[in-house]
Amino acid sequence: GAVVSQHPSRVICKSGTSVKIECRSLDFQATTMFWYRQFPKQSLMLMATSNEGSKATYEQGVEKDKFLINHASLTLSTLTVTSAHPEDSSFYICSAGPDYYEQYFGPGTRLTVT
Amino acid sequence: AQTVTQSQPEMSVQEAETVTLSCTYDTSENNYYLFWYKQPPSRQMILVIRQEAYKQQNATENRFSVNFQKAAKSFSLKISDSQLGDTAMYFCAYRYTNAGKSTFGDGTTLTVKP
Repeated sequence: GAVVSQHPSRVICKSGTSVKIECRSLDFQATTMFWYRQFPKQSLMLMATSNEGSKATYEQGVEKDKFLINHASLTLSTLTVTSAHPEDSSFYICSAGPDYYEQYFGPGTRLTVT
Repeated sequence: AQTVTQSQPEMSVQEAETVTLSCTYDTSENNYYLFWYKQPPSRQMILVIRQEAYKQQNATENRFSVNFQKAAKSFSLKISDSQLGDTAMYFCAYRYTNAGKSTFGDGTTLTVKP
């Protein structure tokens, strides 16, 4: 089946630095990708919709200047956490699909900010 | 806004027995999709089963089946012949047909006991 990859799988960074997470669709093109955040033993919360060639759409309460999204090609979306702080530590998951019905989730990225 | 409610934070079942996980949702839309995802300790989201709202027939996938009650906005998951490998967190999710973003319930942690 279709595959969505994420890189890195886990990252540790120091407070105040920025970290970039990649989400790639490996065998299909995706004009839209989605970024979710999941705290331990909690649900997935949608952060933003990544749109190829245009600005991302952020959910209410998500700081767009802190979580920068770039969808420069039909197979790659990146999420950059800027000036990271310990409270940004979380599990970040992307999803993408050839259409709205078929959506595949990436394996996730565990971010730890020290 | 759409909401998804899973009222059972934790459940357990004996191996080989049957268990039902509950899910209710709220939407004003008529065309949408409903999903059950499994999230094992690896945290990779795995699609278990899906249902298109326009279909009256309940979806089945091997040991997994749903009871979809559109008027009641209910979408329960039945796992038959439970196996140890079914131990995981299960999420119910809603997706509008014209948008790829998903709304998730809070999840149910299922433990299958030997």
